[in-house]
Formats: sequence, C-alpha cells, structure tokens
Amino acid sequence: AQKITQTQPGMFVQEKEAVTLDCTYDTSDQSYGLFWYKQPSSGEMIFLIYQGSYDEQNATEGRYSLNFQKARKSANLVISASQLGDSAMYFCAMRERSISSGSARQLTFGSGTQLTVLP
Amino acid sequence: GAGVSQSPRYKVTKRGQDVALRCDPISGHVSLYWYRQALGQGPEFLTYFNYEAQQDKSGLPNDRFSAERPEGSISTLTIQRTEQRDSAMYRCASSLDKGVRTEAFFGQGTRLTVV
Repeated sequence: AQKITQTQPGMFVQEKEAVTLDCTYDTSDQSYGLFWYKQPSSGEMIFLIYQGSYDEQNATEGRYSLNFQKARKSANLVISASQLGDSAMYFCAMRERSISSGSARQLTFGSGTQLTVLP
Repeated sequence: GAGVSQSPRYKVTKRGQDVALRCDPISGHVSLYWYRQALGQGPEFLTYFNYEAQQDKSGLPNDRFSAERPEGSISTLTIQRTEQRDSAMYRCASSLDKGVRTEAFFGQGTRLTVV
C-alpha cells in the first residue's frame, strides 16, 4: 500500500485565491511527522511546514496551513492568497519511527501535485 | 557549510562505467539520506545513515548501488557498471537529529545521465 497518496497530479488556482492540496497517509505508528515540501522549476526542495501526530493544533506558517485530520489520516496543505511564485510541485511526506531503533526513519514522499497559479 | 552540498552537479557517463556521487551534509547533522528522483515524480528513498551507521538500505535497487559515510559526515553513493535506467536526479538530505519531527534539508542534487 502507498504510504503517502496525493491524488491531484495538477491543480490550477487564480492569483489571490486559496487552494487546498490533498494528502492522505497510511501508518500504524502512533508517533509520526508529516511534512510538505515545495519544488519550483529550479529543482530545489524547500521545506514548508510540519505537523506532528500528537500536535493538537493545525500547523501554520505564514500563508501555509495544514488541515490535519488524524482519524481520516489526511494532512492537506492550504495556501492562502496564492501568488504567481507559488507555482511549483508540492510534495507531502511522512516520517515514522523505527520499531527496532526507536529513532526516526526516512521521509517517504508522495508523487506530488503540480500547482499552477494563474494571473 | 551553510547547506547540503552535492557534487558533481551534473555527470554524464558511458554505460558500464562506475560513478561516485558525493554529499556533504550540514555540519553537525546526524542523519543523512539518499534519494533518487525521476522527472515529475517524488523522491524515492535509497538509503540512510545515522552518524556512520547505515540504518536502512532497502531502497537501493540492486547490488550495483552502495553507499558509505565512514566518518559520520561526508557520504558517497557509488553506482557500479552504470546502465541507462540509472539516469535520474540523485538527491542527498540531512537532518539535525533522529527525531520524527525534524525536517530534512536537501542538496541541489546530482543529475546523472548514462549514455
């Protein structure tokens, strides 16, 4: 089974509007972390926002917020007031805890959503 | 250094040659990860280290791929007898500690082309 599922290969949004990028995940761990990264056409990977499985509040970072619904295992990224510079590929990722060592395992990424902001 | 540094940025090699890709993580970062990313896809996990110990190499596609981090800092990903299907962007990332909530910082990647 896919650990991270991003069902929207591509999304369009009008400049200044809000957009939600979907992410669902699959884990049996109680302790895990969820991350969103942005990859512009230049190719770099930029960390945007983090949500911990025990965090009661939804994470926010400037215009980015995370709509975390633990029971549904979803961690959707909301971008408010879209800007042309937000056009990029967006990846959802999860880090689980290793049962054997107790330390965190690697980030597992979804397939991404290509967001295009229209002027 | 200020960020994760990978070298070379671009590598073109002939089929059958060996290549070594280098990653210099952020100073003091405990964990180091190698990923491979095809165009338009998400990064695919290859292997990772905590300090010098290789914790998981389950993502390495076959035994032509190997990685090391002998002193717990710089890491090298080696691909022996390269094949055209090995062409991809190879990315390295590091994180400060082994915690679940710690984000990973990525390097610019090495674009490998096997001709």
